[in-house]
Amino acid sequence: GAGVSQTPSNKVTEKGKYVELRCDPISGHTALYWYRQSLGQGPEFLIYFQGTGAADDSGLPNDRFFAVRPEGSVSTLKIQRTERGDSAVYLCASSLTRAEYGYTFGSGTRLTVV
Amino acid sequence: DQQVKQNSPSLSVQEGRISILNCDYTNSMFDYFLWYKKYPAEGPTFLISISSIKDKNEDGRFTVFLNKSAKHLSLHIVPSQPGDSAVYFCAAKETSGSRLTFGEGTQLTVNP
Repeated sequence: GAGVSQTPSNKVTEKGKYVELRCDPISGHTALYWYRQSLGQGPEFLIYFQGTGAADDSGLPNDRFFAVRPEGSVSTLKIQRTERGDSAVYLCASSLTRAEYGYTFGSGTRLTVV
Repeated sequence: DQQVKQNSPSLSVQEGRISILNCDYTNSMFDYFLWYKKYPAEGPTFLISISSIKDKNEDGRFTVFLNKSAKHLSLHIVPSQPGDSAVYFCAAKETSGSRLTFGEGTQLTVNP
């Protein structure tokens, strides 16, 4: 597609459940980023992929969060044992190369943990 | 600690006038700065950027100014248009890193 696609756009889950959030980057973009945006805040970095490998995962808040990008295109952010504090908009972005910092964001997945 | 700070949560201007959005940072390792615009229910859209070796970058109605000694940057929009109404985020990148650190955002409203 023309842009970064994220599915689902909204996800409501019960506390303690497992969720997966999907990101389809722009075709050919090697760099992929996940950010999280809480209400009233700016996006907060979670993890960066260059190709298939996680080049920087230092933003993941704890070991309940994990992300993969097995074929270097689609990425999945996985959250285990969700907590109410995980409620936020999860944003994915991609860029052609690592050096391109004005990257393109998707519309995000709004996660609500009840 | 908030390394990138946008102290004004909101700004309201008249159509045709200048909008000035401000951003302060504390990390001396930041070497590249960006502004993003965000409409409701959409992801942030890249607007304009500036490298730390410059003090000004202009793109049409948008100009970003960087004052490294004051650790301050600003985005000027002139003339402002109603379609510019959005949340504007300032972001910064460290020399050796790949992540962006964002400010909290400023809601700009341009009144017709």
